[in-house]
Amino acid sequence: DAKTTQPPSMDCAEGRAANLPCNHSTISGNEYVYWYRQIHSQGPQYIIHGLKNNETNEMASLIITEDRKSSTLILPHATLRDTAVYYCIVRVKETSGSRLTFGEGTQLTVNP
Amino acid sequence: NAGVTQTPKFRILKIGQSMTLQCAQDMNHNYMYWYRQDPGMGLKLIYYSVGAGITDKGEVPNGYNVSRSTTEDFPLRLELAAPSQTSVYFCASSYGGPDQPQHFGDGTRLSIL
Repeated sequence: DAKTTQPPSMDCAEGRAANLPCNHSTISGNEYVYWYRQIHSQGPQYIIHGLKNNETNEMASLIITEDRKSSTLILPHATLRDTAVYYCIVRVKETSGSRLTFGEGTQLTVNP
Repeated sequence: NAGVTQTPKFRILKIGQSMTLQCAQDMNHNYMYWYRQDPGMGLKLIYYSVGAGITDKGEVPNGYNVSRSTTEDFPLRLELAAPSQTSVYFCASSYGGPDQPQHFGDGTRLSIL
């Protein structure tokens, strides 16, 4: 899997958009970008994923640059419950053993 | 829709004891996974299954066993508990292969004393 780089921590005011960056300069053409988050003491939660087009779902938006070397996860209206560690993962298309390799992630703190 | 359910939520074992961590999913997912997460660390894959009757080792399988007799259930067995197995254990499932998102349970917090 391609290596990813994320800032260790970010702060965001409640109600504002949270923009979490991720660099993945060694990404291959068939690798997807995934975002998960882990709220303290809970299991990881899938947020969104994409290949090369921007994606949006009920939780977030994912913006992938044209060269696919970086991406940004956008939480449009952050709430206190969005405080969590956010992981950006780039995954190869393995035929088996498709484990998730979590890096350091970004600790997002949403402040009142 | 319950998703992925893990039991128990907490357990304390003595060295040498055995136990089974239960995992069940009601999403008709073919793929299921067991991970462990040590404090401040990322996930490590223990075992995974691509369907009923099929299991395979992940990164850290030693000291664990699994079975997959049904699509819904994927229990993880610790035969001789050791302090190094103190961790939080997460079960996950996905509908298909590597490009499908994984859905996680809330974890089992296991301490071996």
